[in-house]
Amino acid sequence: DTEVTQTPKHLVMGMTNKKSLKCEQHMGHRAMYWYKQKAKKPPELMFVYSYEKLSINESVPSRFSPECPNSSLLNLHLHALQPEDSALYLCASSQDRDGLIYEQYFGPGTRLTVT
Amino acid sequence: AQTVTQSQPEMSVQEAETVTLSCTYDTSENNYYLFWYKQPPSRQMILVIRQEAYKQQNATENRFSVNFQKAAKSFSLKISDSQLGDTAMYFCAFMKQGNKFYFGSGTKLNVKP
Repeated sequence: DTEVTQTPKHLVMGMTNKKSLKCEQHMGHRAMYWYKQKAKKPPELMFVYSYEKLSINESVPSRFSPECPNSSLLNLHLHALQPEDSALYLCASSQDRDGLIYEQYFGPGTRLTVT
Repeated sequence: AQTVTQSQPEMSVQEAETVTLSCTYDTSENNYYLFWYKQPPSRQMILVIRQEAYKQQNATENRFSVNFQKAAKSFSLKISDSQLGDTAMYFCAFMKQGNKFYFGSGTKLNVKP
């Protein structure tokens, strides 16, 4: 199984709503990532979890709150978002061993629209 | 800091022909990997090919091959016998230790019938 799944596929939310994005992988990967991607742009890294601990936060606003309940699951909690947060949110995973470099496997993304 | 540059925002190629996408990068690291990812319209980003910096031999995957010039910090992707399904955004990416990808700005490839 080389699949990263994301739910929901599409999400429309108001600026006062609270919602969550979910990501799951069963490849035994110990690193998981959230990216934000605007149209025709490369993905921008938001967060990295390594062995269920937050290892990288790219100065993301606090209205985005990541959570890694276990090694297979990654959530992104959303609260009080702005219209400019509308984007494709991608999850990815990779193996993670000290000193080694691994490719990332991406999910299909959640298309988020903030109204 | 690492930077990755893709100087061709958009390219077109006729079906069955060959096309080369350019990528240059800047780093002071010696141990790193380079990747090409493909993102078809409204579809998932998938890995096309990877190259370890310590390997002199250029990576190949079926119709996809790279020209890796370490001294010149160049990593181009050649697609042979282009197919309609190759139409996509192609991102060059650099990765060193630390779980962080550095992406180029992307090249939109259109394969015409």
